[in-house]
Amino acid sequence: AQKVTQAQTEISVVEKEDVTLDCVYETRDTTYYLFWYKQPPSGELVFLIRRNSFDEQNEISGRYSWNFQKSTSSFNFTITASQVVDSAVYFCALSGGNSGYALNFGKGTSLLVTP
Amino acid sequence: EAGVTQFPSHSVIEKGQTVTLRCDPISGHDNLYWYRRVMGKEIKFLLHFVKESKQDESGMPNNRFLAERTGGTYSTLKVQPAELEDSGVYFCASSQLTGLIETQYFGPGTRLLVL
Repeated sequence: AQKVTQAQTEISVVEKEDVTLDCVYETRDTTYYLFWYKQPPSGELVFLIRRNSFDEQNEISGRYSWNFQKSTSSFNFTITASQVVDSAVYFCALSGGNSGYALNFGKGTSLLVTP
Repeated sequence: EAGVTQFPSHSVIEKGQTVTLRCDPISGHDNLYWYRRVMGKEIKFLLHFVKESKQDESGMPNNRFLAERTGGTYSTLKVQPAELEDSGVYFCASSQLTGLIETQYFGPGTRLLVL
């Protein structure tokens, strides 16, 4: 069975600080997909990134970057120079293999960025 | 292009009543998914439609939940009769049908409160 662990329940940082959100996953499948979603206070889930298990290249998108390491089964998300608008709940999710299309979500990390 | 839409945004009902949630996927997306987040818990998969067919309904909690997608366009999720533990946020998502695991795009959710 697939499992995603986001050990950080809540993180609070001051604006302009860098922050890393951890995501550790478990799966016996060799082909799988990892995702990050953002849930701002308005409630919708906003897609951020998708990674397949064969692509371990790290990715950078503006102030966001993702570090995928199969050796440690981790897919961590870093926000550089955080801003108040980054305040949200961030979810890591896993799908593929025997779980098919269904997304298996972590419990989410609530990030609060204060001015 | 319009995103995934869900109706209603909020619903408050009494135990034993019936509620029907509606989801309109992104135009052209043949995959449609329902998820639920109960307070304090992870977002959990309920079921997956491919066009009008139920591809995977392994996450449906019990037979009080009935999902339909007649015509392969919008979907409804009916809870009858509703119980207190059904309270939570119900998310709908859709994705393209390519034979691969595609990114799921989520709607804003329906917040259901059963009193």
